[in-house]
Amino acid sequence: KQEVTQIPAALSVPEGENLVLNCSFTDSAIYNLQWFRQDPGKGLTSLLLIQSSQREQTSGRLNASLDKSSGRSTLYIAASQPGDSATYLCAVRRADSWGKLQFGAGTQVVVTP
Amino acid sequence: NAGVTQTPKFRVLKTGQSMTLLCAQDMNHEYMYWYRQDPGMGLRLIHYSVGEGTTAKGEVPDGYNVSRLKKQNFLLGLESAAPSQTSVYFCASRRQGVTNQPQHFGDGTRLSIL
Repeated sequence: KQEVTQIPAALSVPEGENLVLNCSFTDSAIYNLQWFRQDPGKGLTSLLLIQSSQREQTSGRLNASLDKSSGRSTLYIAASQPGDSATYLCAVRRADSWGKLQFGAGTQVVVTP
Repeated sequence: NAGVTQTPKFRVLKTGQSMTLLCAQDMNHEYMYWYRQDPGMGLRLIHYSVGEGTTAKGEVPDGYNVSRLKKQNFLLGLESAAPSQTSVYFCASRRQGVTNQPQHFGDGTRLSIL
């Protein structure tokens, strides 16, 4: 059974520092991996989606890497801002799963001014 | 530009009561999903649907039923609510047949069972 783990559960950094968020998964037979952002009381917003054949994906200050063989993905957020404060979740999709996602518990990020 | 809309946003029930959560999407997506989110556990899939008239069980289906009578709507029912079903419920939808499309989420329904 696929297990998805995000460590740490919470992280606080001063504004301007780079953020590094980790996601690990136990079964490397994935179709893709997604990173989501969740603001308090809101739903999930998709940030980046990495296909299983890709090593990384970039969007603005965000960069996500994928090492399928070791079961790891990392989300980098450059030059963090207070507006980046949120919970970040990763989710993996299996190839045979009708698009079903297996989520990690998330990392709660606070960026202090 | 509504996307995925969940109704209601908040609800308090007593143990044993029943209710239905409604999810509506206006993107003509074929796939729809119901998740629950509990503290420290991430989101877990309850039921999903790959098209109108079809539903299937997810990871934690016990105590819930679903129906997809119209393509744009996916209903989640609790027949006899239990305190263990206190959670935040999220609906999501996704387009079929397009590689690596992300799921689109609603803002959630916060349900408390007393």
